[in-house]
Amino acid sequence: NAGVTQTPKFQVLKTGQSMTLQCAQDMNHEYMSWYRQDPGMGLRLIHYSVGAGITDQGEVPNGYNVSRSTTEDFPLRLLSAAPSQTSVYFCASSYSVAASEQYFGPGTRLTVT
Amino acid sequence: GENVEQHPSTLSVQEGDSAVIKCTYSDSASNYFPWYKQELGKRPQLIIDIRSNVGEKKDQRIAVTLNKTAKHFSLHITETQPEDSAVYFCAAGDNFNKFYFGSGTKLNVKP
Repeated sequence: NAGVTQTPKFQVLKTGQSMTLQCAQDMNHEYMSWYRQDPGMGLRLIHYSVGAGITDQGEVPNGYNVSRSTTEDFPLRLLSAAPSQTSVYFCASSYSVAASEQYFGPGTRLTVT
Repeated sequence: GENVEQHPSTLSVQEGDSAVIKCTYSDSASNYFPWYKQELGKRPQLIIDIRSNVGEKKDQRIAVTLNKTAKHFSLHITETQPEDSAVYFCAAGDNFNKFYFGSGTKLNVKP
């Protein structure tokens, strides 16, 4: 199993550009989440999904869109990048059982200039 | 929504001493409390977790305690070693595995 994979590992964008961060898992997990981690801070939940076709907002959803067309993939779209979105982005997945461990991807380091 | 507070933000101990990190949460619907260790440039790694029907859990040098009434939980590391140096995060999750994280504690274990 590859676990949770994320691409790209690094990305530099100019203000106003759009892009999609990719996340995939091969563990047949129903639950998937996107977090951002700013320097010296904890992880903040952006969006999450409890299954294909079902998504919901987290703490900091503004400026981001998600969709979940398959169980495996959960892409995060930045609609119009802003410097405030400079961060490290982590995707995570878990089984659809309450109180089950989350598995994290390796992260994407995004810089918006 | 849930609010998780974590203290202290930095903690420095001598090798062999114990370290304690404390977290509080606000939402009584939270029922799962994992702790993560994150080394520089790496992804968070689960080190121990506790569910709301349990008061304490141990795994070798690491233990976690939970007080549901007071809505706080703590991480205890005994006999600390230099390789324990990292940033530790607590989190609170609900039945949909929607998690809220504390702001982190940077632990420095001095040889």
